[in-house]
Amino acid sequence: KNQVEQSPQSLIILEGKNCTLQCNYTVSPFSNLRWYKQDTGRGPVSLTIMTFSENTKSNGRYTATLDADTKQSSLHITASQLSDSASYICVVSAGYGNNRLAFGKGNQVVVIP
Amino acid sequence: DAGITQSPRHKVTETGTPVTLRCHQTENHRYMYWYRQDPGHGLRLIHYSYGVKDTDKGEVSDGYSVSRSKTEDFLLTLESATSSQTSVYFCAISEGGAVTEAFFGQGTRLTVV
Repeated sequence: KNQVEQSPQSLIILEGKNCTLQCNYTVSPFSNLRWYKQDTGRGPVSLTIMTFSENTKSNGRYTATLDADTKQSSLHITASQLSDSASYICVVSAGYGNNRLAFGKGNQVVVIP
Repeated sequence: DAGITQSPRHKVTETGTPVTLRCHQTENHRYMYWYRQDPGHGLRLIHYSYGVKDTDKGEVSDGYSVSRSKTEDFLLTLESATSSQTSVYFCAISEGGAVTEAFFGQGTRLTVV
């Protein structure tokens, strides 16, 4: 069964600090890996999409890495802001298109002043 | 939110009643999806559509049906609502292609009492 595991489940960080979120997956076949940000009461919004040939991709203060050999990904948030408080969801695509997406349960991040 | 409107945004209904949720897009994307999001689970695919009148089941399709009579509208029907269908429902859209971003609506919170 395709699985996506994220850690830590939740964390609290001080505004201005950095943090790193982890994602391990057992999805086959592998097409691509995405990170989404979901604010409370809103739908997920895409941050990055990486195929197996890409090992890093940035979107502003968000940097995602991918190691397809070890089936691990991370999302690094630099100089956190209060608006970064959200759930970050790792999603792995198991094939062509978007009908074979395996979703993690999310990393809940709370940024405090 | 990428031109996606879900309605209603909130609904409370009684067990055994039929319920229809609507997803409307203005992006002319070919693919549309219905997901549910529950505590302790990642998003799970209910049904998806790859064109007008073309639909297929996802991993949690029991108790749900869908229809797509126009490119812009995708309806999700709970034929006889049960308490286990209390959830937040998200519609998503995407264009075709191997690596294509999925855009999510704002969600519908459904409570079955």
